[in-house]
Amino acid sequence: NAGVTQTPKFQVLKTGQSMTLQCAQDMNHEYMSWYRQDPGMGLRLIHYSVGAGITDQGEVPNGYNVSRSTTEDFPLRLLSAAPSQTSVYFCASSPDRSSYNSPLHFGNGTRLTVT
Amino acid sequence: AQSVTQLGSHVSVSEGALVLLRCNYSSSVPPYLFWYVQYPNQGLQLLLKYTTGATLVKGINGFEAEFKKSETSFHLTKPSAHMSDAAEYFCAVSDLGDTGFQKLVFGTGTRLLVSP
Repeated sequence: NAGVTQTPKFQVLKTGQSMTLQCAQDMNHEYMSWYRQDPGMGLRLIHYSVGAGITDQGEVPNGYNVSRSTTEDFPLRLLSAAPSQTSVYFCASSPDRSSYNSPLHFGNGTRLTVT
Repeated sequence: AQSVTQLGSHVSVSEGALVLLRCNYSSSVPPYLFWYVQYPNQGLQLLLKYTTGATLVKGINGFEAEFKKSETSFHLTKPSAHMSDAAEYFCAVSDLGDTGFQKLVFGTGTRLLVSP
């Protein structure tokens, strides 16, 4: 009964380093998404996917890459980390390709600091 | 593009008092609206949603929200606050992405503080 699992929970990077935030779900959900949460700005959508091989950009995609090779996994890649990417990142999934029809299931987040 | 505005980044109430968290939406088509709650160090979980039908929607933990098209509002209420209601609350609206699929757009959140 794992749900949405995000790893790592915490990460500190230096400016210019790259890394991948992992997200896996065991509910066979088609829809997966990545959000970042910043104080006073709520949650902003980075990228989302409506199925394996299909991704689309959200509100703030710059500096991030995604791919969806399997239903279960939706990794978020930071190509060259910048201090502006310091944030809490949430992965969320839903059984429906139209996210309004079923609730989003959220992971517990990854807290990323870029120095 | 759809958007939501949450008035008040912080709301303070006493235990037993009415909770009212405000949300106004901007939408050119009938919207799908949601309220999510986030407890400390956790992800978000769904409180309630409005898609079609009855405009007064009941959710978990005694919360409810009313969709008012004339006011473009979807305010969240609870008659009597409990200490365990202290959390951050997010209003969200469903929007259409470039690929034609629905995605959620969140408001900036309102932190509810409950005092004894």
